[in-house]
Amino acid sequence: QVQLVESGGGVVQPARSLRLSCEASGFTFSNYGMHWVRQAPGRGLEWVGVISYGGGLQYYADSVKGRFIISRDNSKNTMYLQMNSLRDEDTAVYYCAKEPTTFTANWYFDLWGPGTSVTVSS
Amino acid sequence: EIVLTQSPGTLSLSPGERATLSCRASHNVRGNYLAWYQHKPGQAPRLLIYDASIRATGISDRFSGSGSGTDFTLTISRLEPEDFAVYLCQQYGGSPMTFGPGTKVDIK
Repeated sequence: QVQLVESGGGVVQPARSLRLSCEASGFTFSNYGMHWVRQAPGRGLEWVGVISYGGGLQYYADSVKGRFIISRDNSKNTMYLQMNSLRDEDTAVYYCAKEPTTFTANWYFDLWGPGTSVTVSS
Repeated sequence: EIVLTQSPGTLSLSPGERATLSCRASHNVRGNYLAWYQHKPGQAPRLLIYDASIRATGISDRFSGSGSGTDFTLTISRLEPEDFAVYLCQQYGGSPMTFGPGTKVDIK
């Protein structure tokens, strides 16, 4: 079954860290660029960042640059989002999403996960 | 950054009716690189349309996309019960990619 499943969300205090995972199945994970997108309560979707199919390139939104790190382990069909120095405004549902074409950057998404919730609160 | 505005915020219609959703961009969307997604609570968003007018694989021909430049439209020709959801537009022609706030299509 072709799917993405996020995990690792929860409640975390400000300034602490949390790592999210996105496990893929049903397709050749190592052939596709992957993204993280988030939705804060009552707000629209916000792109967080992207990692290339091989993992060598990452780009981030200004709002998370220097605090978040995206990585992937193609042997485990899994992408990660390491979130450091968390702030209240990072509270959101975090989605992973797959690009539609192999080996070519095309930044819309033909597959999303159901999301994992992160709450930053003291 | 390209800001996307969607209208109306909520569209109340009956099954069988036609839905017309608008997505307007603050600047020209390069290449008309605009996608539409359907999003239901607690579920993963689903790609409907990409490159403004191309239906994604497996999407019913009741869904169609049109437009160019700064004005884009998603049309659902005859609403089925499963179509009541939030619809989002996304532009990926400019950096960073951005999403609209969504139009909720609910049952009248």
